[in-house]
Amino acid sequence: NAGVTQTPKFRILKIGQSMTLQCTQDMNHNYMYWYRQDPGMGLKLIYYSVGAGITDKGEVPNGYNVSRSTTEDFPLRLELAAPSQTSVYFCASSNYRPGTVTDTQYFGPGTRLTVL
Amino acid sequence: TQLLEQSPQFLSIQEGENLTVYCNSSSVFSSLQWYRQEPGEGPVLLVTVVTGGEVKKLKRLTFQFGDARKDSSLHITAAQTGDTGLYLCAGAYGNQFYFGTGTSLTVIP
Repeated sequence: NAGVTQTPKFRILKIGQSMTLQCTQDMNHNYMYWYRQDPGMGLKLIYYSVGAGITDKGEVPNGYNVSRSTTEDFPLRLELAAPSQTSVYFCASSNYRPGTVTDTQYFGPGTRLTVL
Repeated sequence: TQLLEQSPQFLSIQEGENLTVYCNSSSVFSSLQWYRQEPGEGPVLLVTVVTGGEVKKLKRLTFQFGDARKDSSLHITAAQTGDTGLYLCAGAYGNQFYFGTGTSLTVIP
């Protein structure tokens, strides 16, 4: 099992450009999450999904969009990139609803994005 | 937004010392998780606690969930250099996890 994979690992964007961050998990997990982490800080939830075809906003969704057409894939779209979106982006997956003793989130290695 | 505040923000100690990290909120969470994150990597789960007052031990690490399920602590006994990293707490609320601000621990040999 590869677990959670993310591509690309690094990316530099110019202001106003768009891009898609890819996330794939091979554990057949229902729950998937996108977080951003600013330097020295905790993680902020951008969007999450409880299954294919179902997505919802997290704490900081502005400037981002997601889709979940399959169980495995959960891409994050940045439209009109801004310097405030410079961050490290983590994708995670879990097979259980948050709040249960087995609600382990498995994280990908992250994508480091710089917007100049 | 459910806020989780961690203290201290930074901690530098000598190998062999004990330490405690705190995670506090005014919100009630369904569960509370602790993660450790190494530089350049994603967080890795250490423990999940779900019952108020629960205490879990993982070798030299002891985790406690407050009676009211609003706060938690992580105690490390006899710290080792391998404990160095960013420690994050995360509370489950509805279908979401809310992460704390993080505690950066450095253990000096």
